[in-house]
Amino acid sequence: AQSVSQHNHHVILSEAASLELGCNYSYGGTVNLFWYVQYPGQHLQLLLKYFSGDPLVKGIKGFEAEFIKSKFSFNLRKPSVQWSDTAEYFCAVNAPFSGGYNKLIFGAGTRLAVHP
Amino acid sequence: EAQVTQNPRYLITVTGKKLTVTCSQNMNHEYMSWYRQDPGLGLRQIYYSMNVEVTDKGDVPEGYKVSRKEKRNFPLILESPSPNQTSLYFCASSLVSGSSGELFFGEGSRLTVL
Repeated sequence: AQSVSQHNHHVILSEAASLELGCNYSYGGTVNLFWYVQYPGQHLQLLLKYFSGDPLVKGIKGFEAEFIKSKFSFNLRKPSVQWSDTAEYFCAVNAPFSGGYNKLIFGAGTRLAVHP
Repeated sequence: EAQVTQNPRYLITVTGKKLTVTCSQNMNHEYMSWYRQDPGLGLRQIYYSMNVEVTDKGDVPEGYKVSRKEKRNFPLILESPSPNQTSLYFCASSLVSGSSGELFFGEGSRLTVL
């Protein structure tokens, strides 16, 4: 079965530190890849997405992610985090589904806490 | 404004008392889905619907029912809630035709079953 693994469950950083959150998926076919962010008390919002083309994608708020097909990875990065980046981050992958619809499969999430 | 609206946002109930969480979207999306979010488990799909009158089980459907009588609404029904259904619930919607799978989420409904 398809699955998504996020390696870090909790990450604590100081402001201005660099961030990299790992995401690996287990599916050998064509996939679309997403990172969603959930700020405290809020719903999930799309941070960035990859469908095809340049494997380095840029999202909102200075985030970017790199798709490495050979490693089945889609790691999220930000050069310098801010206190306002404190949130939970979810990697998600959609893969072909028998009903013709691409089901979105989520990782367990990574809680990021940024200290001033 | 394009949105997915859930109600109630917060609910405390007791074991066995039937409840319904409503979900409505105004984007004319064909696909709708319910997820539950639990610490360390991420989001798990409960049920989904690809269009009106078409629903199917997700990964954790036990104890839940859904209906899709209209395109915009997709209520989640707990016929006899139990404490293990205490969770944060999210409704989401998406286009289907040509869709990349990007989901639009509601604000969430935090349910506590005593």
